[in-house]
Amino acid sequence: DVKVTQSSRYLVKRTGEKVFLECVQDMDHENMFWYRQDPGLGLRLIYFSYDVKMKEKGDIPEGYSVSREKKERFSLILESASTNQTSMYLCASVGGLTEAFFGQGTRLTVV
Amino acid sequence: AQKVTQAQTEISVVEKEDVTLDCVYETRDTTYYLFWYKQPPSGELVFLIRRNSFDEQNEISGRYSWNFQKSTSSFNFTITASQVVDSAVYFCALTNQGAQKLVFGQGTRLTINP
Repeated sequence: DVKVTQSSRYLVKRTGEKVFLECVQDMDHENMFWYRQDPGLGLRLIYFSYDVKMKEKGDIPEGYSVSREKKERFSLILESASTNQTSMYLCASVGGLTEAFFGQGTRLTVV
Repeated sequence: AQKVTQAQTEISVVEKEDVTLDCVYETRDTTYYLFWYKQPPSGELVFLIRRNSFDEQNEISGRYSWNFQKSTSSFNFTITASQVVDSAVYFCALTNQGAQKLVFGQGTRLTINP
């Protein structure tokens, strides 16, 4: 059974904290993605990576960075969390021309 | 630029009714893929279907069916004889062949009432 696992389901952080969201996939996929989901806006792409140590900006990269040191792991970093980054974060991985497989999501609240 | 529009924000029906979720897309690519995903309350997006731009055949899978029409740039999803377990948020998405970045619609929250 294929799996994309996100490290936390729920997270509460304070404004200004550095936040790490971790995502691990066990399908040996090359491509990994971080999306943000907000009501009425659907999912929006923050960053993606098509290989180890490679990263590309998505549509809303401001305030975020990413790290991909190993093929199976893709981390999203909020350098200094702000309240407008309160959201649901979804990680996905894709291999070849398959569909995207998603993690269960991390609901982040910044207070 | 690519865009997906799901004009129906919320739909509420009574169990056993048929319901259609609309999806309209925009792209300049000749090769592209369309998807539908289901997001139950647990949060994880569940893949339902993928359709490539060269295959306009309609698809049926049990109570689910999809109607792809390039002439109107639409990829609509119909649930026949809806059930309470169909309650979820449904997303339509689009990608071109290369980057595999998905562009999502806003989502439609479907509620099936017993």
